[in-house]
Amino acid sequence: RKEVEQDPGPFNVPEGATVAFNCTYSNSASQSFFWYRQDCRKEPKLLMSVYSSGNEDGRFTAQLNRASQYISLLIRDSKLSDSATYLCVRGSSNTGKLIFGQGTTLQVKP
Amino acid sequence: EAGVTQFPSHSVIEKGQTVTLRCDPISGHDNLYWYRRVMGKEIKFLLHFVKESKQDESGMPNNRFLAERTGGTYSTLKVQPAELEDSGVYFCASSQVWGANTEAFFGQGTRLTVV
Repeated sequence: RKEVEQDPGPFNVPEGATVAFNCTYSNSASQSFFWYRQDCRKEPKLLMSVYSSGNEDGRFTAQLNRASQYISLLIRDSKLSDSATYLCVRGSSNTGKLIFGQGTTLQVKP
Repeated sequence: EAGVTQFPSHSVIEKGQTVTLRCDPISGHDNLYWYRRVMGKEIKFLLHFVKESKQDESGMPNNRFLAERTGGTYSTLKVQPAELEDSGVYFCASSQVWGANTEAFFGQGTRLTVV
């Protein structure tokens, strides 16, 4: 079983839609989680960190459920510019090493 | 401020040849990481430098891969001899501090194709 699992999609949604991505992880001792965004043929960039109670940044909300070992990312009022691959990432407890999910592809259409 | 830079951006080599990838981290970042994404798979950790020392090389696939960071500045990743399965995108990342919640900044990657 992979350490971080995501539905690869693609998710095709119209502009203005709300879309949610889910991610599960296998290491119950994991402390830190992130969502990274990767545009086509570009490098991954940090979108937001996910903390115990979850957090919100504008149209983006990340939630963490430790009991179910489950993380989610909610995007409200989708924009064309949100089209990208969203990577669920677990941080190593000590070293800063990152463990990536396979990514979920989002395509927002006009 | 310059971000993480990688060179070359693309490389096409024949099986059995040698290739050296270079990464220049953000100035002042002691932590440098190499990652790789092969087609259809997730990005995977290769190794971690703290300054010039290898902190964790548990992700290195085999002894055909050699990473160095002499002087604790830029790093090189050499593949010798290259095999077909080495094809993929090699990312370098750097961070200022070392820890679970530290943001890592990625370079644009080197796309390696072994034919």
